Amino acid sequence: SQQGEEDPQALSIQEGENATMNCSYKTSINNLQWYRQNSGRGLVHLILIRSNEREKHSGRLRVTLDTSKKSSSLLITASRAADTASYFCATDALEYGNKLVFGAGTILRVKS
Amino acid sequence: DTGVSQDPRHKITKRGQNVTFRCDPISEHNRLYWYRQTLGQGPEFLTYFQNEAQLEKSRLLSDRFSAERPKGSFSTLEIQRTEQGDSAMYLCASSLRLAGTAEQFFGPGTRLTVL
Repeated sequence: SQQGEEDPQALSIQEGENATMNCSYKTSINNLQWYRQNSGRGLVHLILIRSNEREKHSGRLRVTLDTSKKSSSLLITASRAADTASYFCATDALEYGNKLVFGAGTILRVKS
Repeated sequence: DTGVSQDPRHKITKRGQNVTFRCDPISEHNRLYWYRQTLGQGPEFLTYFQNEAQLEKSRLLSDRFSAERPKGSFSTLEIQRTEQGDSAMYLCASSLRLAGTAEQFFGPGTRLTVL
């Protein structure tokens, strides 16, 4: 079963705009991670936020975590065509043992 | 390249045949994971190793699936008597798990097509 649910399922924006993707999950977590996957390729780790953190930045990425709402958001600022990919949130939770549980992902298309 | 590598990248086989995939993790990583990903879905956990010990297996891993990591380095995933439903991308990931949590580094995947 997939514990993370991303929203929206697909997002299409113009280059230069910001893109926001949301993730909701069901159980208490140790951390939440965001990954990017280009079409037909492996996943690339973007950012990890721990359960005691509320916000984290990495370059053009900003991740927030609200454990009371069991949700996270990924903001990509000043998007580029190269950001076109699928984005997945993955949770590391004690309930699920020593593995990541992924959501179904958000497909982001950035038009140039 | 010191990342995670997988071989082959693509495999086409006929139903009923056996297939084996290989994963070479990042050398100092003690944990190795296998995931399966179908179109439009996120990766689903199959199994993981800490060094050479297989510590957890998903219910998705039927008795036709077997994984090994004999020397705590590379790993193989074998599927016996393949079925069309086995068609998917098989992803391998590794991590260095000391204390607390760790990001996982993924390989490019092996895409399996069962005809």
